[in-house]
Amino acid sequence: KAGVTQTPRYLIKTRGQQVTLSCSPISGHRSVSWYQQTPGQGLQFLFEYFSETQRNKGNFPGRFSGRQFSNSRSEMNVSTLELGDSALYLCASSLNRGYAEKLFFGSGTQLSVL
Amino acid sequence: TQLLEQSPQFLSIQEGENLTVYCNSSSVFSSLQWYRQEPGEGPVLLVTVVTGGEVKKLKRLTFQFGDARKDSSLHITAAQPGDTGLYLCAGSNAGNMLTFGGGTRLMVKP
Repeated sequence: KAGVTQTPRYLIKTRGQQVTLSCSPISGHRSVSWYQQTPGQGLQFLFEYFSETQRNKGNFPGRFSGRQFSNSRSEMNVSTLELGDSALYLCASSLNRGYAEKLFFGSGTQLSVL
Repeated sequence: TQLLEQSPQFLSIQEGENLTVYCNSSSVFSSLQWYRQEPGEGPVLLVTVVTGGEVKKLKRLTFQFGDARKDSSLHITAAQPGDTGLYLCAGSNAGNMLTFGGGTRLMVKP
C-alpha cells in the first residue's frame, strides 16, 4: 500500500510569488491535515480537511489556504510568499477524524523563499 | 492556546544507557501521541495513549500518560544507535488537529 505522497519534494520561490503544494493520501483515507515545520517554531497545525470540508484551521494568516477534492487529494496554497514561509510542509492522512486516529505523514515539501 | 513542553531538547548518550523524555502541559488532552522523525522524512507514529495513567510498551520503549492527562513520558531502555532521531509528543482534543511539543533530539553513540 502506497504511503502519503507529497509533491513537489523541493521548491524554491521568491518573495511575493505564490505556491501550490499537493498531497495524495493513503488509499481509503478521508482526512488530510497540513503542518508547517520550522527550526524555530517546530511543527504547527495549518488546517484539516475531511469530506472536502475544512474542519479545523490553525493560527496562520489568510495567505495560507487549502482544499480537498472528492478523491481526498488535497492542495495547499500560499500567496504573496514571505521569507518566513520557508519551511517543511507536511501532510498527514488518516482513515477518519478523531483525537485518537492514526496519522500517517508524508515526507514533506521543503519550501525555500528567497 | 494549548502548549506542550518537551524536555530535554537535546540528549546525547552512549549505547546501552537508559533515558527518559518528558512532555508537559497545563492543559488536558484527550489523547497523546509520540512520533519519531528522521532527517528528510515525516514523523512516524510510535504510540497513542488515551487513558489517564495508561502505560504502553513497544519493545524497549515505554510510554506513560499522566493520571490527569496533562503530561506524558517516553522511557527507552538500553538505547541503541538505531534509536537516534527527533522524538515528538503531540496532544489532541479535536479531530486531527495536533499540538506538537518542541521535540527531543536524541543521539545514541556506539
